[in-house]
Amino acid sequence: GEDVEQSLFLSVREGDSSVINCTYTDSSSTYLYWYKQEPGAGLQLLTYIFSNMDMKQDQRLTVLLNKKDKHLSLRIADTQTGDSAIYFCAGVRGNTGKLIFGQGTTLQVKP
Amino acid sequence: GAVVSQHPSWVICKSGTSVKIECRSLDFQATTMFWYRQFPKQSLMLMATSNEGSKATYEQGVEKDKFLINHASLTLSTLTVTSAHPEDSSFYICSARPGARTDTQYFGPGTRLTVL
Repeated sequence: GEDVEQSLFLSVREGDSSVINCTYTDSSSTYLYWYKQEPGAGLQLLTYIFSNMDMKQDQRLTVLLNKKDKHLSLRIADTQTGDSAIYFCAGVRGNTGKLIFGQGTTLQVKP
Repeated sequence: GAVVSQHPSWVICKSGTSVKIECRSLDFQATTMFWYRQFPKQSLMLMATSNEGSKATYEQGVEKDKFLINHASLTLSTLTVTSAHPEDSSFYICSARPGARTDTQYFGPGTRLTVL
């Protein structure tokens, strides 16, 4: 089955770029997702990438997908203190429509 | 667009009582909704998949008689925690999927349940 792994913690300085990495095992996901969770809140869909794309850019967010290595990354340019949150990558388990989440990466942005 | 609400946002109840949590898709119809549970500093654990007009499908290890799910309309699913106990205290999050052609899920803000 699908397994999604992320590093647990990343600390950056305000204004720097942040790169959050994710690896997955099941290559059948049509889409791969990045969600953001602030303390005590639900998950906010940040962006997603279609599996036949290598890169997607949306304002400060850049998603890179390496299908060969089954590696997904989220780059946040000019990281702000408001970007401090937990970031989850997610794939889809087979044809079930069920999302499989990584453990979440806590991004800490220092002023 | 794609807004999902949950009510209540938090609830405190006594052990043995039942608690109902509502999940609504506000600006789209959702044939499928999902219920998750999240423990502190952990990822989301899928509890069940709820399809409008049919019985929910529960994940392995989730008691269906304990966590009753009803998806009576295309915009509303409810989760009832029956005879709640302190170990049921958790953060419950729902999500909704706008149609069968997409796997994208939009999440509600979550409900914090505390059972005393």
